[in-house]
Amino acid sequence: EVILVESGGDLVQPGGSLRLSCAASGFIFSNYPMHWVRQAPGKGLEYLSSILGDGGSPVYANSVKGRFTISRDNSKNTLYLQMDSLRAEDMAVYYCARDGSSGWNFDSWGQGTLVTVSS
Amino acid sequence: QSAPTQPASVSGSPGQSITLPCTGTSSDVGGYNFVSWYQQPPGKAPKVVIFDVGQRPSGVSNRFSGSKSGNTASLTISGLQAEDEADYYCCSWTSSGTYVFGTGTKVTVL
Repeated sequence: EVILVESGGDLVQPGGSLRLSCAASGFIFSNYPMHWVRQAPGKGLEYLSSILGDGGSPVYANSVKGRFTISRDNSKNTLYLQMDSLRAEDMAVYYCARDGSSGWNFDSWGQGTLVTVSS
Repeated sequence: QSAPTQPASVSGSPGQSITLPCTGTSSDVGGYNFVSWYQQPPGKAPKVVIFDVGQRPSGVSNRFSGSKSGNTASLTISGLQAEDEADYYCCSWTSSGTYVFGTGTKVTVL
């Protein structure tokens, strides 16, 4: 069974930084690209970033490019999202998701971790 | 990258069929057969119900089907059931090498 568990969400002040983690189990982590998606309170899903299985070719949505950094440690089966220069509009539940074993999709999701940006 | 447009809400009675459109551009929905659909019940994580326009993951009910014409993808739910009440999001690969989610549709079973 594929299990993804996000952690690291917290209350942070505007301009601050936070690192989210996503612990993976139940599959060969290094074989799969991974993704981050967020959802602001009462709003829709927003794609953020992706990274290949070997840690290469990170890509970002324009809304977070230059402020967020995706990375992974395959020895620890863990995906990360470093978030800097946080803004009020970054407040959301952050989900990690696994790339589809078939086709182009996100076939497994974590339960999400809440990031609150407020002074 | 602008989000593909979805109607805010769609409703139907049990047993009916409903179709949810997702309208993008030639740079996303219309340019690639990499459209997926996600079902998100209140307070839960999303779950993929359709990928690559019309492919259904193992374990997903065959009441869910997908199609695409031009810049508009569609999700059809046939034989609507109470358990189908949720938010539904389309998602497409884009020419920027990223993904983009649609604005989302709330499905209500009357």
